[in-house]
Amino acid sequence: GEDVEQSLFLSVREGDSSVINCTYTDSSSTYLYWYKQEPGAGLQLLTYIFSNMDMKQDQRLTVLLNKKDKHLSLRIADTQTGDSAIYFCAEDPEYSTLTFGKGTMLLVSP
Amino acid sequence: NAGVTQTPKFQVLKTGQSMTLQCAQDMNHNSMYWYRQDPGMGLRLIYYSASEGTTDKGEVPNGYNVSRLNKREFSLRLESAAPSQTSVYFCASIPQGVRDYGYTFGSGTRLTVV
Repeated sequence: GEDVEQSLFLSVREGDSSVINCTYTDSSSTYLYWYKQEPGAGLQLLTYIFSNMDMKQDQRLTVLLNKKDKHLSLRIADTQTGDSAIYFCAEDPEYSTLTFGKGTMLLVSP
Repeated sequence: NAGVTQTPKFQVLKTGQSMTLQCAQDMNHNSMYWYRQDPGMGLRLIYYSASEGTTDKGEVPNGYNVSRLNKREFSLRLESAAPSQTSVYFCASIPQGVRDYGYTFGSGTRLTVV
């Protein structure tokens, strides 16, 4: 099956930018999602990018896709303490099922 | 409220007991999924139902069974609970052929097996 890899932990100061990295494996037409999970809660979809795109921006969020290296990143501009959570990268290939990375814990300090 | 509803939210079982986790969605989605989340492991797929009347195994199906009762409901059953099944269980759904809005997740069932 597919294997999605993420950095496990990131610590930043409030107001800085955060960059969370992910690598995926499938080269077919694939949706790549970023989900946020706050403590004790379910998963909330933040944004997505399709595998034929290079970049997607949505307010403070920027997703960059390097198709050659199968590398995905999520940049959060002006990070706030409310952004502290676990962020999951997930790969959804056209002919397979959704596969998650292990999650990146983002800690934002004042 | 539109979305995915899971019941119960919390459950403690003794080893060997059985129980059924319920999931219902009111968004008319075709596909439904059960995941388990363990610390440091991310979410792993247990079973899924691509459409009403079909179910398939995921990555970690052993010890579980599922039933797609109708288009709205997809239940997960533990016939004889084991401590290794202590986890947080999430149900998710998505429309068939439309992935731009992602998968919608329930708020989870926190299960402890003692």
